[in-house]
Amino acid sequence: NAGVTQTPKFQVLKTGQSMTLQCAQDMNHEYMSWYRQDPGMGLRLIHYSVGAGITDQGEVPNGYNVSRSTTEDFPLRLLSAAPSQTSVYFCASSGGVYNEQFFGPGTRLTVL
Amino acid sequence: GQQLNQSPQSMFIQEGEDVSMNCTSSSIFNTWLWYKQDPGEGPVLLIALYKAGELTSNGRLTAQFGITRKDSFLNISASIPSDVGIYFCAGLNRDDKIIFGKGTRLHILP
Repeated sequence: NAGVTQTPKFQVLKTGQSMTLQCAQDMNHEYMSWYRQDPGMGLRLIHYSVGAGITDQGEVPNGYNVSRSTTEDFPLRLLSAAPSQTSVYFCASSGGVYNEQFFGPGTRLTVL
Repeated sequence: GQQLNQSPQSMFIQEGEDVSMNCTSSSIFNTWLWYKQDPGEGPVLLIALYKAGELTSNGRLTAQFGITRKDSFLNISASIPSDVGIYFCAGLNRDDKIIFGKGTRLHILP
């Protein structure tokens, strides 16, 4: 199993550009989520999904969109990037009996 | 909403020392999880605790699920340089929602 994979690993955008961060998992987990990590702020939940076709907002959803057309994939879209979205983004999935959450390696995004 | 208070925020220790960190909350959790994040990587699950009072070890790491279900601690014995990183606690509430602490950054002095 590859676990949770994320692409790209690094990205630089200009203000106003759009892009999609990709996330995929091969563990057949129903629950997937996106976090951003900023210095001193811990992990903040952006959006999450409890299954294909179902998404919901987390703690900091503004400026981000998500969709969940398959169990495996959960892309995060930035429609018009802003410098405040410079951060490290982590995708995670959980499932099974105990619902432990597993993280991807992260995408480091810089918005100029 | 529910919050986890993780302490300390950072620690500076000598190699070989033991380390202790904890998470507390005013809310009850059904599962406690401890993660470690190496620089430039995503958090990796270290230990999962499922029952109040449970004490679980993973090598030099030991974690306990508090009897009140509102706290958990993680101990690292005989620290080594590769223990450097950020340690996160997380709790799963009765709705299976996961709440993260803000992390403890561990530094090891040469």
